[in-house]
Amino acid sequence: SQTIHQWPATLVQPVGSPLSLECTVEGTSNPNLYWYRQAAGRGLQLLFYSVGIGQISSEVPQNLSASRPQDRQFILSSKKLLLSDSGFYLCAWSVRHETQYFGPGTRLLVL
Amino acid sequence: GENVEQHPSTLSVQEGDSAVIKCTYSDSASNYFPWYKQELGKRPQLIIDIRSNVGEKKDQRIAVTLNKTAKHFSLHITETQPEDSAVYFCAASPVSGSARQLTFGSGTQLTVLP
Repeated sequence: SQTIHQWPATLVQPVGSPLSLECTVEGTSNPNLYWYRQAAGRGLQLLFYSVGIGQISSEVPQNLSASRPQDRQFILSSKKLLLSDSGFYLCAWSVRHETQYFGPGTRLLVL
Repeated sequence: GENVEQHPSTLSVQEGDSAVIKCTYSDSASNYFPWYKQELGKRPQLIIDIRSNVGEKKDQRIAVTLNKTAKHFSLHITETQPEDSAVYFCAASPVSGSARQLTFGSGTQLTVLP
């Protein structure tokens, strides 16, 4: 069966510091991968998605970036965090355009 | 792009009663409509989904209806139980290449009172 991992689970970072969040999927090949952000008490906003290694599509212009160095690895990065980057970051996977399944998420607090 | 509106934002029902959450979408090309349940501090989990070639889908106490003409779809939970208490999100998406860009509603906090 398929499993999706995210780390770290929680992170507290100062404003202006860099960020790297990692997502990996097991048990499937060539998945679509997605990064969402959920602000406190709000809905989910799609940030990036990838249909293959090195292929990244951005949905929202911001100071975040994403990379997919391996088939089942998706990384979310920032060079300088802003206060507004705080939130719950969720990675998701799917087989092509089928159902999306979410990872456990990373809670990021920028101080 | 797609825009999804969800109502109500909060809903309280007595245990055993039914709950209905409604969503409207704007993009007539959307053809996939999932519903996710998110418990406090947890990841969203898919509870049911419907595609535009179907008007209704049911899974035990949960059902979803779709009205393509009016561009709205609804989640129905019957015989509610305390463990149904959570935030529910609807979403809509057209097919775009080989990926789906889901647009989510703002969520409904459902509280089932014992």
